[in-house]
Amino acid sequence: GENVEQHPSTLSVQEGDSAVIKCTYSDSASNYFPWYKQELGKGPQLIIDIRSNVGEKKDQRIAVTLNKTAKHFSLHITETQPEDSAVYFCAASHGGDSNYQLIWGAGTKLIIKP
Amino acid sequence: KAGVTQTPRYLIKTRGQQVTLSCSPISGHRSVSWYQQTPGQGLQFLFEYFSETQRNKGNFPGRFSGRQFSNSRSEMNVSTLELGDSALYLCASSWVGDEKLFFGSGTQLSVL
Repeated sequence: GENVEQHPSTLSVQEGDSAVIKCTYSDSASNYFPWYKQELGKGPQLIIDIRSNVGEKKDQRIAVTLNKTAKHFSLHITETQPEDSAVYFCAASHGGDSNYQLIWGAGTKLIIKP
Repeated sequence: KAGVTQTPRYLIKTRGQQVTLSCSPISGHRSVSWYQQTPGQGLQFLFEYFSETQRNKGNFPGRFSGRQFSNSRSEMNVSTLELGDSALYLCASSWVGDEKLFFGSGTQLSVL
């Protein structure tokens, strides 16, 4: 079946430095790629998303890039802060009207060291 | 505006029992989907409901079932619980036709 691989599983960076999380998807028909942040004891929350007709999207310190040819997309967080510590999940869309779903990566635990 | 509400937050059951989890979506959201989350496995899609009808289903055994009521509230049921069913069960709601999901805090199910 279709899958999404996410790396690394754990990422530890110094406060103020940048963090990059990468995902690779298998379904060439995928056209929607969201990123969710999950804090301890909470459900995932959408932080940014991108569609296949766009190569890059930014929102303040967060950016996502998409390479359709290589079928991978990345989350970039600049000037990391303690509140960025969380688990981040990428996902890729799969299927059409009757069988649409998101295929999720396994998650990356981001640790911001003070 | 209230978010997605899931009850209960924690459940402890024994093998062979059954369990029902509840989800109240954000007001106005008519689509509700359920996910199973286990450590290191990401989120696995269980099913999606819209207008009281199951629109889509993931690859889970028939022991996992769900339903949606006319007010869009949803329940999922797991029968004949197994140890491997221990997980965080997440519910998400969305506007019709919108891919953006709004998640609840989940129900942590432990099967002993």
